Amino acid sequence: KAGVTQTPRYLIKTRGQQVTLSCSPISGHRSVSWYQQTPGQGLQFLFEYFSETQRNKGNFPGRFSGRQFSNSRSEMNVSTLELGDSALYLCASSLAGDRGQPQHFGDGTRLSIL
Amino acid sequence: AQKITQTQPGMFVQEKEAVTLDCTYDTSDQSYGLFWYKQPSSGEMIFLIYQGSYDEQNATEGRYSLNFQKARKSANLVISASQLGDSAMYFCAMREGQRAGSYQLTFGKGTKLSVIP
Repeated sequence: KAGVTQTPRYLIKTRGQQVTLSCSPISGHRSVSWYQQTPGQGLQFLFEYFSETQRNKGNFPGRFSGRQFSNSRSEMNVSTLELGDSALYLCASSLAGDRGQPQHFGDGTRLSIL
Repeated sequence: AQKITQTQPGMFVQEKEAVTLDCTYDTSDQSYGLFWYKQPSSGEMIFLIYQGSYDEQNATEGRYSLNFQKARKSANLVISASQLGDSAMYFCAMREGQRAGSYQLTFGKGTKLSVIP
């Protein structure tokens, strides 16, 4: 069974640009979450999607947005990039339901802002 | 207040020895779940073990076990017979009683484990 796939693996952008990251969850997983990981702040929750609806959102500015498609694939968009947006962005998917279901993570997209 | 506290930024352990990584949590929910993940230098997050707040037995998965002390709000990870491949960052995470079905993990700052040959 294929794992969570994130593309691209690496991305270099400049301040003010926008970027779109993609995530394909494990087949059958309908919940997709996004996290930002930085050395200073650690792992922080961005948002979660389920059946094309955003169910939960972390404390990030509106420049961070996402969406989920009918096949559960998800995209995350960051507009007007800032230097502080340099981070590893991790996508995770899980089965719905039981609280004990773990989130399975992709390898991440490492975004660098110049 | 931090919801997940990992007090050991870094730890060393001799190969084949056991090691305990500490995790304390803070929640007012009665129903919650605790997870441990491993992150090698390559970046991927690997799920290791899960403990539910109502589980009476401590969770075990191969060489990993979770020492769950609910009253003390601690969920320490024990790795037995350490291997060189265990060198990585280890994160403790909690899923609280979010509104129905939604999934959000809160992570600790992590512990960097180095296994010495």
